[in-house]
Amino acid sequence: ELKVEQNPLFLSMQEGKNYTIYCNYSTTSDRLYWYRQDPGKSLESLFVLLSNGAVKQEGRLMASLDTKARLSTLHITAAVHDLSATYFCAARPRNSGYSTLTFGKGTMLLVSP
Amino acid sequence: DSGVTQTPKHLITATGQRVTLRCSPRSGDLSVYWYQQSLDQGLQFLIQYYNGEERAKGNILERFSAQQFPDLHSELNLSSLELGDSALYFCASSAGTGLSMNTEAFFGQGTRLTVV
Repeated sequence: ELKVEQNPLFLSMQEGKNYTIYCNYSTTSDRLYWYRQDPGKSLESLFVLLSNGAVKQEGRLMASLDTKARLSTLHITAAVHDLSATYFCAARPRNSGYSTLTFGKGTMLLVSP
Repeated sequence: DSGVTQTPKHLITATGQRVTLRCSPRSGDLSVYWYQQSLDQGLQFLIQYYNGEERAKGNILERFSAQQFPDLHSELNLSSLELGDSALYFCASSAGTGLSMNTEAFFGQGTRLTVV
């Protein structure tokens, strides 16, 4: 059974600072997803990482995937208040369908002035 | 706006009752996935339908059932409700069966169910 662990689960940071959220998964996977969820809202897809060494960037967020280490990171650069949300990573076991996507518990990010 | 529509947004009901949650997928999407999000269990996959047929089953209780209609909208039926069923229920949709390596699903706004 695929397990996905995120850390930290809660992150309070100041605007302008950098930080990284880590996502470890337990079995072979080559599909790693990152989602953002605002309180009481839907999940918004941020990144889909499809291969080892994949790196994707959108604004102040950059995600990477190391399938050998079974690790994905979401790096936040010069955080701003608008980035406050809960971030989920999710992994799919290799050769399996989207329905097998397993989510981490989420990292609640609070960015304050 | 993801294009996935869920109704109602909020639902309050008593224990033992039955409710139906509705999901309209994005135009052209054939797969619908249902998820339950609660504080203790996190985001759990319940069931997937593809073009009217059940495709995959996750941690769905026997008291819960779902179906997908010819117009591709889906309904999740929850019966004999218990306090522990209180959660946010999401549906998501994707274009194909979900097997493609590039599958990406889009989530609706969710239905918040409160059982009292």
